[in-house]
Amino acid sequence: GAGVSQTPSNKVTEKGKYVELRCDPISGHTALYWYRQSLGQGPEFLIYFQGTGAADDSGLPNDRFFAVRPEGSVSTLKIQRTERGDSAVYLCASSGGAGREQGNTGELFFGEGSRLTVL
Amino acid sequence: KQEVTQIPAALSVPEGENLVLNCSFTDSAIYNLQWFRQDPGKGLTSLLLIQSSQREQTSGRLNASLDKSSGRSTLYIAASQPGDSATYLCAPDRLAFGKGNQVVVIP
Repeated sequence: GAGVSQTPSNKVTEKGKYVELRCDPISGHTALYWYRQSLGQGPEFLIYFQGTGAADDSGLPNDRFFAVRPEGSVSTLKIQRTERGDSAVYLCASSGGAGREQGNTGELFFGEGSRLTVL
Repeated sequence: KQEVTQIPAALSVPEGENLVLNCSFTDSAIYNLQWFRQDPGKGLTSLLLIQSSQREQTSGRLNASLDKSSGRSTLYIAASQPGDSATYLCAPDRLAFGKGNQVVVIP
């Protein structure tokens, strides 16, 4: 696609429910990043994929959070047993690579985000 | 762990003034640094990317400088316009962001 696409744009759920957020990166981009952003804060890194594998998942806050990218394109962020503190905007970004390959600038392109509200 | 600080947190300027936004970071071993703009309720829009081997990048009224050894980057916006009102975020190496510089340009 022309840009990074995230769905749903808004999700309201009840405490304890399971949620999936989807990210469709720019076509051909091998690197994909998930962040979450709370009001007045900068994006907080969650996980980064290079191809199908999670190259760095050090930002995932706990084992309720999990992300997959089975075919190296679309990624899904999964949150189990949601808590009110999970309410935030979840942002996805993609780039041509990790930024350290020859000829790759590593420029990040973001989607519009998925706003999650846990009641 | 990379720590990023952006100063000032917020500023208001009259239209036509030049803007100077500062970003400092603790780990200077970066590959690149990217500046973004974020409008309320929206995602981040890439403005400029500076590779670690570069000292600055320019795009129109925007100029970003990078002093990797001292852990600093500055975004200059010349002749500000009301449409420049937004939050500006810097990100060294994609894994850490500052809280942003919230800018209001007064017509």
